[in-house]
Amino acid sequence: KQEVTQIPAALSVPEGENLVLNCSFTDSAIYNLQWFRQDPGKGLTSLLLIQSSQREQTSGRLNASLDKSSGRSTLYIAASQPGDSATYLCAATTSGTYKYIFGTGTRLKVLA
Amino acid sequence: GAGVSQSPSNKVTEKGKDVELRCDPISGHTALYWYRQSLGQGLEFLIYFQGNSAPDKSGLPSDRFSAERTGGSVSTLTIQRTQQEDSAVYLCASSLDLGGEQFFGPGTRLTVL
Repeated sequence: KQEVTQIPAALSVPEGENLVLNCSFTDSAIYNLQWFRQDPGKGLTSLLLIQSSQREQTSGRLNASLDKSSGRSTLYIAASQPGDSATYLCAATTSGTYKYIFGTGTRLKVLA
Repeated sequence: GAGVSQSPSNKVTEKGKDVELRCDPISGHTALYWYRQSLGQGLEFLIYFQGNSAPDKSGLPSDRFSAERTGGSVSTLTIQRTQQEDSAVYLCASSLDLGGEQFFGPGTRLTVL
C-alpha cells in the first residue's frame, strides 16, 4: 500500500532564499508523481508532473526530481518570493491503481 | 470548459438530509476523481471514473456515499443521510487519461449542522 510523507510540515524562510521540499513514498512502482500548491480556502494548482521514466521536470523557478530507488521526490524553489507562500502537496500514483495518494503537505511561508 | 468546475461552492445542510455535489471536468478528459479534505487533514481519495465506469470504489467511506458519471462528462457525488463527520471540502479532479496529470476544481465546502 502506497504511503506518502512530506517533511517538514511547515517552513518559514526569508525572501530570496532557495529551498527544497521533500516527499517520500513507500512503493517504488510509481506511475506518476505530481506536485501541487494549495492556497488557503482554494483548490489545488498543478505545478509539475514527473512520469516514472523521468528523473526531473522544470517550470520556471521550480524543479522537481524523482528518485524511485530511494523513494524520494524533491521540489526545489529558486529565489523564493512572498507569493510562493502556500501549502505544497505531492501525490503519487502507483502502476495498476491509478489513484493518487497524497502527502499531508508542507506549509511554506516566505517572509518579505 | 476551461477548467474543472464544481457546484455548489458551499452547501449547508441539516443532519440526516441528502446532498448532491456536481463536478464538470475539463472537456475531453476521460478520467475523473473525487477527494475529500477534512479540516486540517490531507486529501482522502474517494472514487475515480474511467469514462462512466468506476473500477475502484474502495475509498467511499460508507454505503451512504455513491457517485455516478454520465456521458463521460459530468459526475455527481451523493451523500445520503448526512452526518456531522461528513463536513469537509469535496474536491473533484480530471485528467486526460487514467493516472495522468490531474487538474482540480475549486471544491464544494459541505457543512452538516
